[in-house]
Amino acid sequence: DAGITQSPRHKVTETGTPVTLRCHQTENHRYMYWYRQDPGHGLRLIHYSYGVKDTDKGEVSDGYSVSRSKTEDFLLTLESATSSQTSVYFCAISESILSNQPQHFGDGTRLSIL
Amino acid sequence: GQNIDQPTEMTATEGAIVQINCTYQTSGFNGLFWYQQHAGEAPTFLSYNVLDGLEEKGRFSSFLSRSKGYSYLLLKELQMKDSASYLCAVRFQYNFNKFYFGSGTKLNVKP
Repeated sequence: DAGITQSPRHKVTETGTPVTLRCHQTENHRYMYWYRQDPGHGLRLIHYSYGVKDTDKGEVSDGYSVSRSKTEDFLLTLESATSSQTSVYFCAISESILSNQPQHFGDGTRLSIL
Repeated sequence: GQNIDQPTEMTATEGAIVQINCTYQTSGFNGLFWYQQHAGEAPTFLSYNVLDGLEEKGRFSSFLSRSKGYSYLLLKELQMKDSASYLCAVRFQYNFNKFYFGSGTKLNVKP
């Protein structure tokens, strides 16, 4: 199994509070991704990183920011959480973007915004 | 989105064969991945196709037709533990960084 750790695994918080989710990898992979998964929508990309300090937006980036100050850590921040951000969040990593390289996923963070 | 379409749910019997389909837009296609996801768990990589034809891995096989924008995952000798969601993901040439996922097919295997 790929060495990916997401923290926390579960979190309940209130609307308007800031929330930071952490993804830590031990594989030294260059590419890291944050997805959210909601019923009926599948996995949707929030942000991704293609190197230290190099990030870009995915299809559902509004209300989220990310940072990657070192290879092993990719942080996802909800500046002011809203109920629509209640979801399961998955981090993924990839060694390269060569066409046959899959992404490998962490165990997810279940986030509830009340 | 990139119009990645899969059936929402399927039911099959233990020991049988089931085929899960995935269609996608053909423009810029650069590879298709299948993942398995058990309830409450992370998706895990099953197979990869970029050329036309069938790729076999034990009880699981995946087929691709690039001209038709069509793939299927074939599961043989179904077991109860195969009850899971199966996700189709496509990579396109215009952005190698991104995978585009279908909504997933929930497979229920009954005794």
